[in-house]
Amino acid sequence: AEKVIQVWSTASRQEGEELTLDCSYETSQVLYHLFWYKHLLSGEMVFLIRQTSSSTAKERSGRYSVVFQKSLKSISLIISALQPDDSGKYFCALWERGTNAYKVIFGKGTHLHVLP
Amino acid sequence: EAGVTQSPRYAVLQEGQAVSFWCDPISGHDTLYWYQQPRDQGPQLLVYFRDEAVIDNSQLPSDRFSAVRPKGTNSTLKIQSAKQGDTATYLCASSSSYEQYFGPGTRLTVL
Repeated sequence: AEKVIQVWSTASRQEGEELTLDCSYETSQVLYHLFWYKHLLSGEMVFLIRQTSSSTAKERSGRYSVVFQKSLKSISLIISALQPDDSGKYFCALWERGTNAYKVIFGKGTHLHVLP
Repeated sequence: EAGVTQSPRYAVLQEGQAVSFWCDPISGHDTLYWYQQPRDQGPQLLVYFRDEAVIDNSQLPSDRFSAVRPKGTNSTLKIQSAKQGDTATYLCASSSSYEQYFGPGTRLTVL
């Protein structure tokens, strides 16, 4: 079974709008981390924002923010004031501790198209 | 500060051939990761090192894949006898904490 699920494979919005990308996950760990990355056309994967399971702070980084619903095992990435350069593929990732090492599990990604 | 570098950027092989990928992490990062990313999928962790030690290689197909990081800096991922199912982008990442910095990847096509 998939541990990190991004339901939407694609999304389109107009420039200036706000977008919410949803991600759900499965873990039995108490302490874990969730990440959002953007995959550029150049192939580079860029870190956007991190949420730690123990934190109740609403994480924000520039135009990126998250809504973390721990009881629902859900984390959403919100991108405000969309720009055409925001187009790309966005990945949600879960970082949890396994038996002997940390495990990093990515979702399949959501492809975003921002229309000018 | 230089980012994570990988080479080659592209590789095309016939089934049964071998290939090696090279990664130079960000200076000072003790942890290095290798991922396989098939088309339209998320990255899947193959192996990761802390310094020169393998921390987890449970997802590395050990019969044909191998990875080393002998001095705790650069790393090489090798595929012996490639198969068509190995077609994917191979990403290297490094970190000094939880935040990973990714290289541009090597896009492998096995014909």
